[in-house]
Amino acid sequence: EPEVTQTPSHQVTQMGQEVILRCVPISNHLYFYWYRQILGQKVEFLVSFYNNEISEKSEIFDDQFSVERPDGSNFTLKIRSTKLEDSAMYFCASTLSQGPPLHFGNGTRLTVT
Amino acid sequence: QKEVEQDPGPLSVPEGAIVSLNCTYSNSAFQYFMWYRQYSRKGPELLMYTYSSGNKEDGRFTAQVDKSSKYISLFIRDSQPSDSATYLCAMTHLRGGFKTIFGAGTRLFVKA
Repeated sequence: EPEVTQTPSHQVTQMGQEVILRCVPISNHLYFYWYRQILGQKVEFLVSFYNNEISEKSEIFDDQFSVERPDGSNFTLKIRSTKLEDSAMYFCASTLSQGPPLHFGNGTRLTVT
Repeated sequence: QKEVEQDPGPLSVPEGAIVSLNCTYSNSAFQYFMWYRQYSRKGPELLMYTYSSGNKEDGRFTAQVDKSSKYISLFIRDSQPSDSATYLCAMTHLRGGFKTIFGAGTRLFVKA
């Protein structure tokens, strides 16, 4: 069964550094998403992306965050200047159409020291 | 009031028991109601989803939605140790960018 793949599985970075989290959505999917889950907390929506532009973003997704689909297969989340509170699991997801089911990757654990 | 409320548990049951997991919500605009299972350090895995009110059955799993009460349930029959995981309810409407709101998740332990 097709999968959403995310790399790296674990990223450690220092506060203030830039990080790029990478995702390869399912190949025929058209809608892409980033969610995050702080340890012990709920999964939270960050952003949705369709047709090379952001469809919706949450209040968490401030100017420090950006997303890009640099080619036909990758979807990236960039955090420009990481803070300690950015430490979380970041999940990429994709859908064929605007509706369920959301297919999630296994996440990137980001640790900011 | 939180948009989606879910008791985090933990819930511990013996093998073979019927498990009932529930969520309440406040936003009457929600149209799709989903249940995900999440194992430790893995991404959420969709179990089933329903559109609007009603029941849906898939094997040992039954999802129920009562929009009038803003209450959704997931029942697991003949629970197995392999069902031990965190169960997340989630819901969405199709306005905007298909933003899905998750509950906190209920941690389930099924003892052999």
